[in-house]
Amino acid sequence: DQQVKQNSPSLSVQEGRISILNCDYTNSMFDYFLWYKKYPAEGPTFLISISSIKDKNEDGRFTVFLNKSAKHLSLHIVPSQPGDSAVYFCAADGSSNTGKLIFGQGTTLQVKP
Amino acid sequence: DSGVTQTPKHLITATGQRVTLRCSPRSGDLSVYWYQQSLDQGLQFLIQYYNGEERAKGNILERFSAQQFPDLHSELNLSSLELGDSALYFCASSNNYEQYFGPGTRLTVT
Repeated sequence: DQQVKQNSPSLSVQEGRISILNCDYTNSMFDYFLWYKKYPAEGPTFLISISSIKDKNEDGRFTVFLNKSAKHLSLHIVPSQPGDSAVYFCAADGSSNTGKLIFGQGTTLQVKP
Repeated sequence: DSGVTQTPKHLITATGQRVTLRCSPRSGDLSVYWYQQSLDQGLQFLIQYYNGEERAKGNILERFSAQQFPDLHSELNLSSLELGDSALYFCASSNNYEQYFGPGTRLTVT
């Protein structure tokens, strides 16, 4: 049973345009969400996070939106740059005691020059 | 550079063997997490240690074990290796919600 789902395995956008990556979850007990970026042969890099008490968090070109009623979050990248091409994982933390993260399957973003 | 180091970077071994993967967390981080990423799979949480004590367990096989030492580095021991254990193994460390990942160890079992 996959509690965190990224239904789009890949996404291709033009440089300068907006990239929107989506993530759905099933467990309403999740209280913290994170996005990670991963390049080949490297470990995931933390990008941005959001607490369940917020509906938006912004950091430079990256904004994460959380819709608790729909159990959906999205990552917006504006403007997209070729260096953003990577695999993006969303993750959820359902336990404030352990920090155990549950990851989605990832979405491969390609930003074309 | 996340500040988390993992050794070795690559490991090739035969079925039935035992290997040890090592992780040094970021300076000051008390929590260490181990994850497995198999081919075409997402990251699967294996186990977490906090300041030397096991804190949480995920889908970790009984053939696998881990520990965290007084200097906070951690080791993941994989024994009786099978072909299906071939994967990337990541270590992460944190002091709050955000986990910072090492570069991973690629294990190939032949």
